[in-house]
This record gives sequence, structure tokens and C-alpha cells, in this order.
Amino acid sequence: QQQVKQSPQSLIVQKGGISIINCAYENTAFDYFPWYQQFPGKGPALLIAIRPDVSEKKEGRFTISFNKSAKQFSLHIMDSQPGDSATYFCAASINAGRRALTFGSGTRLQVQP
Amino acid sequence: GAVVSQHPSWVICKSGTSVKIECRSLDFQATTMFWYRQFPKQSLMLMATSNEGSKATYEQGVEKDKFLINHASLTLSTLTVTSAHPEDSSFYICSVPDRGNYGYTFGSGTRLTVV
Repeated sequence: QQQVKQSPQSLIVQKGGISIINCAYENTAFDYFPWYQQFPGKGPALLIAIRPDVSEKKEGRFTISFNKSAKQFSLHIMDSQPGDSATYFCAASINAGRRALTFGSGTRLQVQP
Repeated sequence: GAVVSQHPSWVICKSGTSVKIECRSLDFQATTMFWYRQFPKQSLMLMATSNEGSKATYEQGVEKDKFLINHASLTLSTLTVTSAHPEDSSFYICSVPDRGNYGYTFGSGTRLTVV
């Protein structure tokens, strides 16, 4: 599997602040870039996803920024809440749905009240 | 997205025994499903791609004789951990491609503890 590099490994943000998680990829054949949220003991749940034909996608408090030339994408969580405390994974796939996802290493987010 | 059911949610077994984990696609027929393994505080690592009606495709380093995958119907894939050992203790998660081939839905995961 091609690698997807994710940073930071952990992140502490105050309530109401902005959480930013970054990912970089190598394989230019990737055409689907989702972000997943995972709580302990649960399977990952899709937060938001983007395809490389757009540079930004926003859904509620969550925004993906995508830079195709730099092969980077990031997740911004606006107005972070304690309930957002979880592990976040970026991922990428080729021919979305027909090939498995390659996951980043994960970011443990803690939002302090 | 797809509706995915994974069972059991947790299982404890003795070393040397086998354990079967089921992954069901409840709302549409899935010709492909994926199995991942996740160790504590680590990312999800793809183990194998389950193909309906044919052999699974295993990732490098995953023992196909130890992790048996059966995708006998379009709605069910099973992962059997054979002759389980404590090092097989992990969180196993299945994934189903969503309808229309955009996105994936994950099962709730199975926590396997081998004692």
C-alpha cells in the first residue's frame, strides 16, 4: 500500500478553538480522500471526504482543504467541542470503492473544556 | 452509505482455538469487502480484500491459512482466526464500499482477546 503521512500524532485544543490535522500522500493515482473519526472501541465513522477536482469542501464545522500540487490535504474543525475528542484518521484510495483505503497513522484530539 | 453489521463485538477465546467474525451488508449486495486489523493506539492496517465467489486477496505478511476469509454470498463475509494466539489479540474491522462506489462504511469492529 502507498503511504499516507499524518500529523500531528496528538493535539490538544481549547473549547471553541480550531483543530487542524494534516496529511500528505505520494501516489498521484489516489482519487478519494476521506477523514474518519473513531471513538475507543468503535469502528471509524466517515466525517467528510473530498475528490481531487475541488480544493475545499465544508460540512458544518468540518472543512477539508486539498492541495493537489503539493499532494497534501488537511482537516479543520472549527469551534472545537469536548465531544470532538477522538482519534482522527485521514485516508486515501484509488478508484474509490473498488480498492481499499490506505490510512494515515491517526491523530488523537483532545478538546479541553 | 451502506449499512454494515459486524458480529460479535467482542470475543475472548483460549489459545489454540478458532474464532469466526461476521460482516454483513444489510442494504445492498457487496461483491467486495475489506478486512482491517487495528492494534491499540495504532492505525487500521488492511489484511485482505474479500471477493464474493472467489479467493480473498491477502496483503503481504498476512497468513492466509491463519486468517480464513469466506465471502460466500453478496451480503456476508466471514473472517476466521484459526489456532489463535495471544499476539492475534486485536481489533478487527470490516468495511463495505458504499453504493455507487463512492466511500466506504465500516463495521463496529470486533475486539478479540486470546488468553
